[in-house]
Amino acid sequence: DTGVSQDPRHKITKRGQNVTFRCDPISEHNRLYWYRQTLGQGPEFLTYFQNEAQLEKSRLLSDRFSAERPKGSFSTLEIQRTEQGDSAMYLCAIPKSHGYTFGSGTRLTVV
Amino acid sequence: DQQVKQNSPSLSVQEGRISILNCDYTNSMFDYFLWYKKYPAEGPTFLISISSIKDKNEDGRFTVFLNKSAKHLSLHIVPSQPGDSAVYFCAASGDYGGSQGNLIFGKGTKLSVKP
Repeated sequence: DTGVSQDPRHKITKRGQNVTFRCDPISEHNRLYWYRQTLGQGPEFLTYFQNEAQLEKSRLLSDRFSAERPKGSFSTLEIQRTEQGDSAMYLCAIPKSHGYTFGSGTRLTVV
Repeated sequence: DQQVKQNSPSLSVQEGRISILNCDYTNSMFDYFLWYKKYPAEGPTFLISISSIKDKNEDGRFTVFLNKSAKHLSLHIVPSQPGDSAVYFCAASGDYGGSQGNLIFGKGTKLSVKP
């Protein structure tokens, strides 16, 4: 149990379809982060929330990506019109006292 | 340009010996550094961290050393165990360019500990 639940664990979708991922921190946290990890790379920052407010978005987050955190608890990340280049592991993280706790991630494969 | 670099994609070590994983960074505004361990199909797991005001932090078999003048840090694992076999990521954080708290990761080093 990492303290951050992500759903689904795996998603296979056809190019052009929309997908949505969910992140549920087990306990309340003001901040919530989304990262993406592609093969051979470290995790890359996508966006973060302070409560409900989305305070920063990486240039990696194209217009096809949208993230929400409606009640300041769980968060969703939607990708519209998926492309093969979107295939990656999408990770959610919350800050802890000495580091960040990551969820197990959602592995997206676009075929 | 990569602000956090792990120049060794892989490292193989014999069980019981020391594993040394290296990391270099370019941004002098980074003030907090972390090491994560990652198994396939799982998210990164926090291992150990160090603030820029320190030069060493130790936690059991894991020790992180920070050389600010060289912009270099290293993770030492002693003794290495087969269960340590994983990909290790170095990450940095700091109040740089207005971003607060998000991490910049290196590309990782795959550690293999052989029995």
